Amino acid sequence: DAKTTQPNSMESNEEEPVHLPCNHSTISGTDYIHWYRQLPSQGPEYVIHGLTSNVNNRMASLAIAEDRKSSTLILHRATLRDAAVYYCILSWNSGNTPLVFGKGTRLSVIA
Amino acid sequence: EAGVAQSPRYKIIEKRQSVAFWCNPISGHATLYWYQQILGQGPKLLIQFQNNGVVDDSQLPKDRFSAERLKGVDSTLKIQPAKLEDSAVYLCASSLGNSYYGYTFGSGTRLTVV
Repeated sequence: DAKTTQPNSMESNEEEPVHLPCNHSTISGTDYIHWYRQLPSQGPEYVIHGLTSNVNNRMASLAIAEDRKSSTLILHRATLRDAAVYYCILSWNSGNTPLVFGKGTRLSVIA
Repeated sequence: EAGVAQSPRYKIIEKRQSVAFWCNPISGHATLYWYQQILGQGPKLLIQFQNNGVVDDSQLPKDRFSAERLKGVDSTLKIQPAKLEDSAVYLCASSLGNSYYGYTFGSGTRLTVV
């Protein structure tokens, strides 16, 4: 599996936007970029995924660099409930390869 | 829709004892996964089922871990005998198909081996 690099931790103030970076310089043309997050004492939950174009949903936005070697998860207005570990994962969606989780980024939100 | 159900929520056992975890995936989800999450790390895949067949169990310690998914629905994961290093959260996830459809995780079973 292609690897991703994320900062260990980040901090944000409540009600401000948060940009969570992910580097994936060895991404292949068929790899999708997935983001999951894990709230305390919960299993991971799906946030968003994309291939080449930027994606938006009710939870977040995903900005993908033109060369696809990096991406950014954007939380438009952080709340205390967004404090979690965020995982950036690459996966070839046409196959049956399971998601491989790294250590992710621990996001703290300050009131 | 109902989520992925797991039980028990917590379990404490002594080393060398056996333990079993149960998972009920979302109805209609063909693919089921068991992950192990050690404190401070990301989840690590143990086994993947497609309906009631095993797709990938390459990281399952087969000398002590076993898993089954009867009738392609519920699944159980067993550890026998348990070791101290098995202390972790065991997460079950299900999906309609592959990762494109997204995984839905249960809340996990926290196992402590003393």
